Amino acid sequence: NAGVTQTPKFQVLKTGQSMTLQCAQDMNHEYMSWYRQDPGMGLRLIHYSVGAGITDQGEVPNGYNVSRSTTEDFPLRLLSAAPSQTSVYFCASSQTPPASGTYNSPLHFGNGTRLTVT
Amino acid sequence: TQLLEQSPQFLSIQEGENLTVYCNSSSVFSSLQWYRQEPGEGPVLLVTVVTGGEVKKLKRLTFQFGDARKDSSLHITAAQPGDTGLYLCAGAPNAGGTSYGKLTFGQGTILTVHP
Repeated sequence: NAGVTQTPKFQVLKTGQSMTLQCAQDMNHEYMSWYRQDPGMGLRLIHYSVGAGITDQGEVPNGYNVSRSTTEDFPLRLLSAAPSQTSVYFCASSQTPPASGTYNSPLHFGNGTRLTVT
Repeated sequence: TQLLEQSPQFLSIQEGENLTVYCNSSSVFSSLQWYRQEPGEGPVLLVTVVTGGEVKKLKRLTFQFGDARKDSSLHITAAQPGDTGLYLCAGAPNAGGTSYGKLTFGQGTILTVHP
């Protein structure tokens, strides 16, 4: 069972470079999201999607773009990397969005991408 | 933005000791989840609590949701080295409004249990 797959696992970028972090889920989940994890700050929501063609901003969206053309895929794009974007990035999906008024299904996380921007 | 304050940030204890981790907010949540994360992996759900005052037990772990649904605690009895990891609480806001789709995480508690 693949679950949520993130690629790459590690990436080093120079300031100003662009890249795309890939995320794919095979559970037919409606909801997908991207978090960044920094020491002492827990997980902070970057962008999320409640279904194909629908995306919205989270807590820390600046410097990141997303799109959701299919149910399975939710890539995160860094257009011009900055050292402040050095972090571990997690993609997560769930059957229903948080606070949807229905059962709050658990988030299923990928194993993360460790990004360093020099 | 709804905030979750988690404490303590670090816990280092000996095997067999008991411990409690707290998750507090001034906001009301429709439900609260606890996750555990091991190095190099993503968080994994331990439990979801949805009713004010609810208590759930998972072997040696006891989870409680506050009566007002603003706070939660995780209590571990007779901790073991295998309990070592990062524990995260996450709150789902009430349905509707500007917080729709946004799960809020606490800062996390790094637990180390020494043999």
